Amino acid sequence: ETGVTQTPRHLVMGMTNKKSLKCEQHLGHNAMYWYKQSAKKPLELMFVYSLEERVENNSVPSRFSPECPNSSHLFLHLHTLQPEDSALYLCASSQDSAGGGSGANVLTFGAGSRLTVL
Amino acid sequence: GQNIDQPTEMTATEGAIVQINCTYQTSGFNGLFWYQQHAGEAPTFLSYNVLDGLEEKGRFSSFLSRSKGYSYLLLKELQMKDSASYLCAVDNTNAGKSTFGDGTTLTVKP
Repeated sequence: ETGVTQTPRHLVMGMTNKKSLKCEQHLGHNAMYWYKQSAKKPLELMFVYSLEERVENNSVPSRFSPECPNSSHLFLHLHTLQPEDSALYLCASSQDSAGGGSGANVLTFGAGSRLTVL
Repeated sequence: GQNIDQPTEMTATEGAIVQINCTYQTSGFNGLFWYQQHAGEAPTFLSYNVLDGLEEKGRFSSFLSRSKGYSYLLLKELQMKDSASYLCAVDNTNAGKSTFGDGTTLTVKP
């Protein structure tokens, strides 16, 4: 497999459920990201991991819990979500997240996990 | 913080040229990206500008003026498959994160 793979592609869950989204990248990148995409809203950065260390947490509610066991895998654990959390959750990776104006932050996105919270 | 503005929707005719503008305000500017996102699909990288000027890639070109906080994406010889959302994203030196604009939905008509 190549690129960034996300599973599941679609998920329906109740507000009391616990589920996880999985992301895997086969590009040898050092940084991984979770973005949330809601209708009529811009992509919202949720979490950034660089070399398995969380470097960014954009005031995301604690009902979203990320986990990065190694540089190729990223999880988003979900529990007691709200209906307004229904959205497309996109995973992305980049060569690194250190900036430098080299374009090393070009993001490669997965196809996304469409989440519906009932 | 960052403020990124781009038009919500644009319509153009097959074979024509269209320019999608993006203005931004940011501290710690580290480059600007354009991504294309077809409905129901992941965004894909189109272009990256960090210095002033024009970058050309086939039918697509992207321009940047850092002093004006302005960029545009130019699409030539439009094709029906170019109908998509075009996302402007500004890269910031803080944690190397990209912040996205709302996106411009382009509809190409025959």
